[in-house]
Amino acid sequence: DAGVIQSPRHEVTEMGQEVTLRCKPISGHNSLFWYRQTMMRGLELLIYFNNNVPIDDSGMPEDRFSAKMPNASFSTLKIQPSEPRDSAVYFCASSRLQETQYFGPGTRLLVL
Amino acid sequence: GESVGLHLPTLSVQEGDNSIINCAYSNSASDYFIWYKQESGKGPQFIIDIRSNMDKRQGQRVTVLLNKTVKHLSLQIAATQPGDSAVYFCAENYGGATNKLIFGTGTLLAVQP
Repeated sequence: DAGVIQSPRHEVTEMGQEVTLRCKPISGHNSLFWYRQTMMRGLELLIYFNNNVPIDDSGMPEDRFSAKMPNASFSTLKIQPSEPRDSAVYFCASSRLQETQYFGPGTRLLVL
Repeated sequence: GESVGLHLPTLSVQEGDNSIINCAYSNSASDYFIWYKQESGKGPQFIIDIRSNMDKRQGQRVTVLLNKTVKHLSLQIAATQPGDSAVYFCAENYGGATNKLIFGTGTLLAVQP
């Protein structure tokens, strides 16, 4: 079975540019999570969705970050405009409601 | 200038020995706990989980122990192998209707051949 799919796997961009990260959750999972991992702060939950509805976005750093889940098989995390301090690995995870979360391989973002 | 990052506790063991990784969790209302393994360049991988109505759960070469009195979780790995080298994270679910996990800072397990 395919796991959580993320794209792109690597992204290098310049400060001020828009960045869009994509995630396809495991089929049948109805919860989706976006995390950010850095050496400074570890693994942080940014936002999560249940049944395509955002439930908790308290971890979203600021208005430059936005996330959408237009359907059960696709989600995006957008950063506009990007800044060097946004450089991190961004993970998407999915689960059945209140069950184990399974992580994707991550997107390594470098903002110059 | 020098950057300051998280200080990851490190556990160094000899191949073949048993490993014990510890975790203190924060919320006495948490009712679900998970251990994840993260290898370099990869996403966290589920290892084993335990619910708060249990004290112990065993998997293949791994055992998780839960002590709710002192809010402590441990992961035991039997006959540690070089492929076990990774960062291990514990995570707690705060319970109730939330699906939110809170992750610990992680422990680096280094297996010496």
